[in-house]
Amino acid sequence: GAVVSQHPSWVICKSGTSVKIECRSLDFQATTMFWYRQFPKQSLMLMATSNEGSKATYEQGVEKDKFLINHASLTLSTLTVTSAHPEDSSFYICSAYPGQGGNTIYFGEGSWLTVV
Amino acid sequence: DAKTTQPPSMDCAEGRAANLPCNHSTISGNEYVYWYRQIHSQGPQYIIHGLKNNETNEMASLIITEDRKSSTLILPHATLRDTAVYYCIVRSLISNFGNEKLTFGTGTRLTIIP
Repeated sequence: GAVVSQHPSWVICKSGTSVKIECRSLDFQATTMFWYRQFPKQSLMLMATSNEGSKATYEQGVEKDKFLINHASLTLSTLTVTSAHPEDSSFYICSAYPGQGGNTIYFGEGSWLTVV
Repeated sequence: DAKTTQPPSMDCAEGRAANLPCNHSTISGNEYVYWYRQIHSQGPQYIIHGLKNNETNEMASLIITEDRKSSTLILPHATLRDTAVYYCIVRSLISNFGNEKLTFGTGTRLTIIP
């Protein structure tokens, strides 16, 4: 199947700093990418949807100024957690959609963020 | 968006068929049913999807009822590596451009017992 890669797979940062997570579609062009977060023993919660070359659409309750999403190319989207706090510690997962009707959405391996 | 209901947990003996049910009684005519699974600390893995016909691939079979209000994912010969949380998801359109998002419920935690 198609491959979606995230980097880094885990990161520890200090409170108040910013951290960037990259999501790449390795063998297809992704017109749409999605970002999720998942707390321990909970389901995935959709944070935002990003379309290449346009602003991301955020789900209700997600702060767009805190979680900056950029989808500058058809193979790369980035999520930047700004001014991170310990409560932002979570598992962040991206997914990518090839953009043709009926196709599957593929997920990255996820990125563990720990804010200390 | 159509919602799905799944049992929170199930056990299955190794080597037996695992049958995971899902209810999606409010599904629309053009919405697909997708199944993903998530092994601990990994991203979700695509399993199978279907619209109204039964589907089979190398991983599983998907049986969708005629009224499309429920479906069953079948893992024909479960192994210990099939222990995971299984998510049944109805795909929804979010724009006129055909972009789609997946909304996850709580899923079924399947445990394969040796």
